[in-house]
Amino acid sequence: DADVTQTPRNRITKTGKRIMLECSQTKGHDRMYWYRQDPGLGLRLIYYSFDVKDINKGEISDGYSVSRQAQAKFSLSLESAIPNQTALYFCATSDSRLNTGELFFGEGSRLTVL
Amino acid sequence: QKEVEQNSGPLSVPEGAIASLNCTYSDRVSQSFFWYRQYSGKSPELIMSIYSNGDKEDGRFTAQLNKASQYVSLLIRDSQPSDSATYLCAVNHQAGTALIFGKGTTLSVSS
Repeated sequence: DADVTQTPRNRITKTGKRIMLECSQTKGHDRMYWYRQDPGLGLRLIYYSFDVKDINKGEISDGYSVSRQAQAKFSLSLESAIPNQTALYFCATSDSRLNTGELFFGEGSRLTVL
Repeated sequence: QKEVEQNSGPLSVPEGAIASLNCTYSDRVSQSFFWYRQYSGKSPELIMSIYSNGDKEDGRFTAQLNKASQYVSLLIRDSQPSDSATYLCAVNHQAGTALIFGKGTTLSVSS
């Protein structure tokens, strides 16, 4: 089983629908992140959380919200999906005790907004 | 806006050659530097990390860091077709912040 699990892995939805992408981890890491990837644009940071009570905006947070329900769970919501949010979304974790900044990624959630 | 810049490529090299991938970053106080490899449709996987000036070698991979020039590179010796992937440079600008990624360089190794 994957240490960082994302659900759903693929989702097709329509403009205006509310969508939630979920991420859970068994690595015991305290930090969690959501990135999106578009062709030719690398990984762009949406939100990150360094512990359950900490939420921080990344470079492209508009149109998204997050919830850190527990240390192991971090969900990303699109309140009203639009076509330009079609992308591959990655959840990642890191461990502050390692003090390296290394990220461990989930397998990705491919979202298509029609 | 802190930036990480990479040449998008594609970079094409023959099998057995050395592939050289480059990355520059904008924030002089950046502390940690990473190279991730990403195969098409897959998640990124860490292949090298470097924290101090100089070279760091791991098998066929060598990471080079020059903080004065704000430059980090990845050399892949004896390139193999299985090295064909997108290579993402990532920078941790300071402790307590998230990694910022470049757009990635696509490497193609021909047999």
